Amino acid sequence: QVRLVESGGGVVQPGKSLRLSCAASGFTFSSYTMHWVRQAPGMGLEWLAVISYVGNNQFFADSVKGRFSISRDNSQKTLFLQMNRMRAEDTAVYYCARERDSSGLGVFDVWGQGTMVTVSS
Amino acid sequence: QSVLTQPPSVSAAPGQKVTISCSGSSSNIGSNYVSWYQKFPGTAPKLLIFDSDKRPSGIPDRFSGSKSGTSATLAITGLQTGDEADYYCGTWDNSLSALFGGGTKLTVL
Repeated sequence: QVRLVESGGGVVQPGKSLRLSCAASGFTFSSYTMHWVRQAPGMGLEWLAVISYVGNNQFFADSVKGRFSISRDNSQKTLFLQMNRMRAEDTAVYYCARERDSSGLGVFDVWGQGTMVTVSS
Repeated sequence: QSVLTQPPSVSAAPGQKVTISCSGSSSNIGSNYVSWYQKFPGTAPKLLIFDSDKRPSGIPDRFSGSKSGTSATLAITGLQTGDEADYYCGTWDNSLSALFGGGTKLTVL
């Protein structure tokens, strides 16, 4: 069964850091480009970052560029999102998503269940 | 403000047809495929349409997509109460980023 499971969410103070993980199973993780997407309360989906299947190419949304980093450990089938200098507006449910193979760029065919991050003092 | 523009809400009666539009620009929809996602509160998005007009396996043919120029449309026929959800369009932008529309809330009256 193809599955993505996020973890690491919680409450963090403004200016602090948090690292999210996304554990993959049921597919060859190392063959897929992976993304992070978030949804703030009452808002729409916001794409955050992408990492190539090897990990050598990464791109970020302007809203998180310079504060967030994305990485992966293919041996452990895990995707990471390191979030630094966090702000109240980073409060959201964070999803990891798999990019569909053999289709256009930015097509997300498998999603995790999401992990909630709250930035508050 | 999302770069991709969707109507905030649409509604129709059970059994009827509804369309949801998604408007972008030459750097995103105009030069890349469009995908559509269905999202219920508290759950992860679900891919409905990819490559502008293709359905993943398991998605009923009541859902269809099209693209023309810098706009795309999701059509849902034979509306069911279970279709009440938020719908998002998505695409890639040539600035090397993925984009989502602001989302459309579908109400089945």
